[in-house]
Amino acid sequence: AQKITQTQPGMFVQEKEAVTLDCTYDTSDQSYGLFWYKQPSSGEMIFLIYQGSYDEQNATEGRYSLNFQKARKSANLVISASQLGDSAMYFCAMREGRTRGATNKLIFGTGTLLAVQP
Amino acid sequence: GAGVSQTPSNKVTEKGKYVELRCDPISGHTALYWYRQSLGQGPEFLIYFQGTGAADDSGLPNDRFFAVRPEGSVSTLKIQRTERGDSAVYLCASSLTVPPRTGELFFGEGSRLTVL
Repeated sequence: AQKITQTQPGMFVQEKEAVTLDCTYDTSDQSYGLFWYKQPSSGEMIFLIYQGSYDEQNATEGRYSLNFQKARKSANLVISASQLGDSAMYFCAMREGRTRGATNKLIFGTGTLLAVQP
Repeated sequence: GAGVSQTPSNKVTEKGKYVELRCDPISGHTALYWYRQSLGQGPEFLIYFQGTGAADDSGLPNDRFFAVRPEGSVSTLKIQRTERGDSAVYLCASSLTVPPRTGELFFGEGSRLTVL
């Protein structure tokens, strides 16, 4: 069964520092997608970054980068130059299904609460 | 509107009552999803619509839960005989039929349901 594990319930980081949020996954599919979403206190899930299982390069989107280690089944999110507005819950997710984009059904981890301190 | 809209934002009801939660997806998005997020957990998949039909309802917990999308746009999640364990935030998301490479979902802010 597919599963996402986030072992850090909470993290602190100083403003302007970098932080890594851990995510490991389990799947028997060869083709899958990995996502990170941010959930501020408003409740809306905001898409941050995507990594395809066949992508050779680690994904980057502005201050966000995904450290994808396929053999270890890990997809850690790195946030550089943290800002106060980065304080939120962060969820790692995996797209289920053998065909890319077939259902877009996501399986989420339990999340990591990030607090950025001034 | 520009984003996914969900109403009501908050709903308090009594055990045993019937509840409807509404989702208005992004215009042009034919795929629509319902997720449920309990306190301290990540969202859990409930049901997925492609157009008017439910393409995957494997996440609905039991037959008290039902969802419709009669015209392929707005969707309503219906919960009969509510129980205290149904208390959660119900999130709706939408995406393009043939999603872009990233396949990202666009979420609403959710409907917080409290069953007393």
